[in-house]
Amino acid sequence: NAGVMQNPRHLVRRRGQEARLRCSPMKGHSHVYWYRQLPEEGLKFMVYLQKENIIDESGMPKERFSAEFPKEGPSILRIQQVVRGDSAAYFCASSLQTERIGQVNTEAFFGQGTRLTVV
Amino acid sequence: DAKTTQPTSMDCAEGRAANLPCNHSTISGNEYVYWYRQIHSQGPQYIIHGLKNNETNEMASLIITEDRKSSTLILPHATLRDTAVYYCIVRVGRGSTLGRLYFGRGTQLTVWP
Repeated sequence: NAGVMQNPRHLVRRRGQEARLRCSPMKGHSHVYWYRQLPEEGLKFMVYLQKENIIDESGMPKERFSAEFPKEGPSILRIQQVVRGDSAAYFCASSLQTERIGQVNTEAFFGQGTRLTVV
Repeated sequence: DAKTTQPTSMDCAEGRAANLPCNHSTISGNEYVYWYRQIHSQGPQYIIHGLKNNETNEMASLIITEDRKSSTLILPHATLRDTAVYYCIVRVGRGSTLGRLYFGRGTQLTVWP
């Protein structure tokens, strides 16, 4: 059972270009989360998606950032007109459905991340 | 979700037990304690979680105090590969999203030979 797959592992973009980061969740997982980790800092939540729906985007910057999780294919985090401050590691996690009463508690699994460098 | 407090860094000799403390004095009755770790440049890795009983798995043990205001993650025989940042996270259980986690600064554990 493959884990959470992210690609590319490393991405270099010039200022003003677009960056597209892909995340394929674990098999059977329909919930995807994106996190950003700036250099020397902890992980910060960005957005939570289910298939075709954005559930919580409270951590997403208001401009230039967008995310989708289509019915078919991977989840995409898109950053338009990148700036140097966007340089960071972007991690994706996936999980089963939210916990419900009686359900055994479980956890989210993370991918290895995409390291974005803006030059 | 409740805040957690962890020491910034800790050292441990290889082969010895590593005991990583975490304070979560404002934890609510329905909040779980989760531990993740992040080895340099890799994605966070789930270790263990618990509600009020002590838990053990193949990676570690989790000891939660009776009042649930603090906990300790125990790596019984630390190896060099256990060098990582360890995050203690308190998360609401029922009704919450499993991947919506609040990562603090964590504890940098360094295992030395």
